[in-house]
Amino acid sequence: AQKITQTQPGMFVQEKEAVTLDCTYDTSDPSYGLFWYKQPSSGEMIFLIYQGSYDQQNATEGRYSLNFQKARKSANLVISASQLGDSAMYFCAMREGSSYNTDKLIFGTGTRLQVFP
Amino acid sequence: SQTIHQWPATLVQPVGSPLSLECTVEGTSNPNLYWYRQAAGRGLQLLFYSVGIGQISSEVPQNLSASRPQDRQFILSSKKLLLSDSGFYLCGRSGAGSGNTIYFGEGSWLTVV
Repeated sequence: AQKITQTQPGMFVQEKEAVTLDCTYDTSDPSYGLFWYKQPSSGEMIFLIYQGSYDQQNATEGRYSLNFQKARKSANLVISASQLGDSAMYFCAMREGSSYNTDKLIFGTGTRLQVFP
Repeated sequence: SQTIHQWPATLVQPVGSPLSLECTVEGTSNPNLYWYRQAAGRGLQLLFYSVGIGQISSEVPQNLSASRPQDRQFILSSKKLLLSDSGFYLCGRSGAGSGNTIYFGEGSWLTVV
């Protein structure tokens, strides 16, 4: 069965520093996709970054990068140069490749990131 | 641009009352649509998804139902709410120009009292 694990319920980081949010996954499907979302206190779920299981390079989007280690089944999110506005809940999610005509995601339990001045 | 509208944004309902949450999508045709629920302090759980008008798949047995009367409209309903139905409900869409990424609306907060 698919599973997403986020072992850090909360993380603190100082402004302008980098922070890594951990995510491990479990699937027997060779084709899958990994996503990170940000949920500020307003509740909206904001898509940040995507990594496909066959992608050769780690995904990057601005200050966000995904440290994809396939053998370890980990997909950690790295936020560089943290900003106060980065304070939010962060969710890791996975889509299995067998969902050919849907994009159903399973989510981890999230990590609350707090950035302090 | 493609946007997702959800309403109402906030709802307080007594136990046993009916529920209707509405989601509409703009700027796209034939999207895949999703209803997720987030209980307090937890991740998202997929409730329903739809790949077309009138096509609804339920992921978990529950007190809720979903309908898709139009291509860009997705409705979450209940005939009689339970306390356990409280949570944050998010409507999402994928496909039709957004690739395989699910984008979400702003959500609806439901409190059953």
